[in-house]
Amino acid sequence: GQNIDQPTEMTATEGAIVQINCTYQTSGFNGLFWYQQHAGEAPTFLSYNVLDGLEEKGRFSSFLSRSKGYSYLLLKELQMKDSASYLCAVTPGGSYIPTFGRGTSLIVHP
Amino acid sequence: ETGVTQTPRHLVMGMTNKKSLKCEQHLGHNAMYWYKQSAKKPLELMFVYSLEERVENNSVPSRFSPECPNSSHLFLHLHTLQPEDSALYLCASSQELGPSYNEQFFGPGTRLTVL
Repeated sequence: GQNIDQPTEMTATEGAIVQINCTYQTSGFNGLFWYQQHAGEAPTFLSYNVLDGLEEKGRFSSFLSRSKGYSYLLLKELQMKDSASYLCAVTPGGSYIPTFGRGTSLIVHP
Repeated sequence: ETGVTQTPRHLVMGMTNKKSLKCEQHLGHNAMYWYKQSAKKPLELMFVYSLEERVENNSVPSRFSPECPNSSHLFLHLHTLQPEDSALYLCASSQELGPSYNEQFFGPGTRLTVL
């Protein structure tokens, strides 16, 4: 089966930097997604990694190491509106459909 | 707004009722998905349709019955549900069902409560 692990909850201070980790064990690999989901709302796409390295997009960056089965989402200059759940999803080899982790609930406080 | 709408947003039903959830996408996508989201659990894939054909049925009980009449609409028909089926049901779509970049666009979900 596929296994995706991320912390359940994290807290951080407004203006700070936070790193949300995701580790995975899947049969093959076809890409990794990060989604943001505010309470009561739809998940929205943040980033996609298929090759090793760092992808930067404004305040958010995502890193992938395929050999280690590891990714992280880096959020800089945190704002209160960044309080949300962050979902890591991996598309295994031979599949076109991502498997989701449980999500990390990030609480940003003043 | 993600371009994917779901109705109703909230639904309360008894175990003997029959109801349907509706999803519509205005993005011209070819793949559509149903997910179940329960507290403290990962998003659970239920069904996948590509070009109106079901390509995945993830061991879902028969009390859930999907229907995809065209590439823009997806339904989930519910009958004789159990209280443990109470959850947020999310619909999503993607441009294609393929091995490469395949971002999913999610609807806001239907919050279902089974009494």
